[in-house]
Amino acid sequence: GDSVTQMEGPVTLSEEAFLTINCTYTATGYPSLFWYVQYPGEGLQLLLKATKADDKGSNKGFEATYRKETTSFHLEKGSVQVSDSAVYFCALRVAGGGNKLTFGTGTQLKVEL
Amino acid sequence: NAGVTQTPKFQVLKTGQSMTLQCAQDMNHNSMYWYRQDPGMGLRLIYYSASEGTTDKGEVPNGYNVSRLNKREFSLRLESAAPSQTSVYFCASSGGGTTSYEQYFGPGTRLTVT
Repeated sequence: GDSVTQMEGPVTLSEEAFLTINCTYTATGYPSLFWYVQYPGEGLQLLLKATKADDKGSNKGFEATYRKETTSFHLEKGSVQVSDSAVYFCALRVAGGGNKLTFGTGTQLKVEL
Repeated sequence: NAGVTQTPKFQVLKTGQSMTLQCAQDMNHNSMYWYRQDPGMGLRLIYYSASEGTTDKGEVPNGYNVSRLNKREFSLRLESAAPSQTSVYFCASSGGGTTSYEQYFGPGTRLTVT
């Protein structure tokens, strides 16, 4: 079945450090890929998406490139801020079947001054 | 627009009690979903409704029932709560326009079963 694997957290960084959160997937067909972010006490919000191979999703300084050859969708940011502290979820959607999403287990990011 | 709303925000139940979690969306979305979030497990799909009048099981449906009351509302019922159902429950919706596959989430219901 479809699955998403994310790096374990928590990831602790100093402000202005470079961030990478790894995500790899297994899917039948050609999935769309997503990164969602969950701030403390809130629901998930869509951060960025990519719908086909080599697409780059970007938002709020975060980027991720859909790599079909390595089945990966790693999240990167050049300079993190304290306000980026949250839990980040990688997810995939395979067409059909009610637009269901399959989520990774989430990676907690803590950014310190 | 309020987006996706959920009630209640918090609930404590005793084992064997029943309750219904309510979810409503005002975005005219066709599809709605119920997830549970547990530490180290990510989000797991309980039930979903691809369109008004249909419901289907997700990954972890045992112990739950759902009702798609109308296009706006999708409720989740625990008939006889168990401690294993202690979790945070999220409702989501999707469908409409060019972003039809993006899911929008509610703020969650934190449920404790003692």
